[in-house]
Amino acid sequence: LAKTTQPISMDSYEGQEVNITCSHNNIATNDYITWYQQFPSQGPRFIIQGYKTKVTNEVASLFIPADRKSSTLSLPRVSLSDTAVYYCLDVEYGNKLVFGAGTILRVKS
Amino acid sequence: EAQVTQNPRYLITVTGKKLTVTCSQNMNHEYMSWYRQDPGLGLRQIYYSMNVEVTDKGDVPEGYKVSRKEKRNFPLILESPSPNQTSLYFCASSPLKGNEQFFGPGTRLTVL
Repeated sequence: LAKTTQPISMDSYEGQEVNITCSHNNIATNDYITWYQQFPSQGPRFIIQGYKTKVTNEVASLFIPADRKSSTLSLPRVSLSDTAVYYCLDVEYGNKLVFGAGTILRVKS
Repeated sequence: EAQVTQNPRYLITVTGKKLTVTCSQNMNHEYMSWYRQDPGLGLRQIYYSMNVEVTDKGDVPEGYKVSRKEKRNFPLILESPSPNQTSLYFCASSPLKGNEQFFGPGTRLTVL
């Protein structure tokens, strides 16, 4: 099984809610799941982080079920400026950090 | 300003010519990491360091070396670069493993 997987791309319209789900097949038991956003020619930028259940901040929510085998990033009411690549990240056994391959989100007007 | 800096930002070199990409952070972070980013593959961890003098292999360490002699610096060394190491490289730091990471601006490396 691939370690950390997410959809390759998603399309949405301005004002809609977008949910991106990641599968964590080899996640360690004691560490966070984290999501990052990346724009072209820039390094990734932290969005949100959680361990279990639901976490919300000013830009997103993160849902993590009890088994922690998946996580869902929820972006409420997206705008054109949310067009970017979104990465999930987890910590695997041995302290390695593993990113998913990234989800290209395209927001249309 | 809290930041991670990398140098150089762009580098074109030839096969076999040793090179070093520097990385420095001013946030007193313990965890530092190097990633390479390739189209369709996302970011893959090359090496990481939990603290000074403690380094370990990530998912794709072959062909790379690192050192962590001081807390703020974490250079990436390519002893004998090959064309398959052409990539975009990012350095990152965080207070501890698993915390929010702060990324540098990236180094675009081309090996001819």
